[in-house]
Amino acid sequence: GAVVSQHPSWVICKSGTSVKIECRSLDFQATTMFWYRQFPKQSLMLMATSNEGSKATYEQGVEKDKFLINHASLTLSTLTVTSAHPEDSSFYICSARGLAGSSYEQYFGPGTRLTVT
Amino acid sequence: AQSVTQLDSHVSVSEGTPVLLRCNYSSSYSPSLFWYVQHPNKGLQLLLKYTSAATLVKGINGFEAEFKKSETSFHLTKPSAHMSDAAEYFCVVSGARGGKLIFGQGTELSVKP
Repeated sequence: GAVVSQHPSWVICKSGTSVKIECRSLDFQATTMFWYRQFPKQSLMLMATSNEGSKATYEQGVEKDKFLINHASLTLSTLTVTSAHPEDSSFYICSARGLAGSSYEQYFGPGTRLTVT
Repeated sequence: AQSVTQLDSHVSVSEGTPVLLRCNYSSSYSPSLFWYVQHPNKGLQLLLKYTSAATLVKGINGFEAEFKKSETSFHLTKPSAHMSDAAEYFCVVSGARGGKLIFGQGTELSVKP
């Protein structure tokens, strides 16, 4: 149990376009979802925290108008990278936390590789 | 505030020999600690977690870690490395229950045949 999926697993887009990444909790209700960014050979950096039905909380230095996060249901959160540029190329990972059993553990998705050309 | 430091950016071992990945943490209150593994271009898999129960925690794939409060350490060990263990390992701390996860810088484990 506690499976999180992401779609797409990889995407290539042109500079200036927008791309949406979906994060779904498949077998539990995720009251909170997290979005991370990971550069090659580096650790995960938390971008934002989203609670179902409310606005996301962004970490310092993350542009909320560029990285739009929506958490409209208890099983789906989306990250939209608007007006993407090559420097936005990265590996984006989501995690979901809910009341899976009695655990507040975060369950991670498999990640989405974004390449902006 | 919480922080975590992984003392080695890269560890190389021979297959069949022990693995030791070192992690020190800092937390202003009783932490939850985790070890995750990430294979190339994959998401994170939880190896084990400490949440104030037994200080010696056993995880999947033969890994275990010992919480040592006096040393503020949570080192990951495995008696005998396997080629499939080659991956990136992250030590992670969470403060209050359900709080944010703070990731260490990661340790790349290489396993030589």
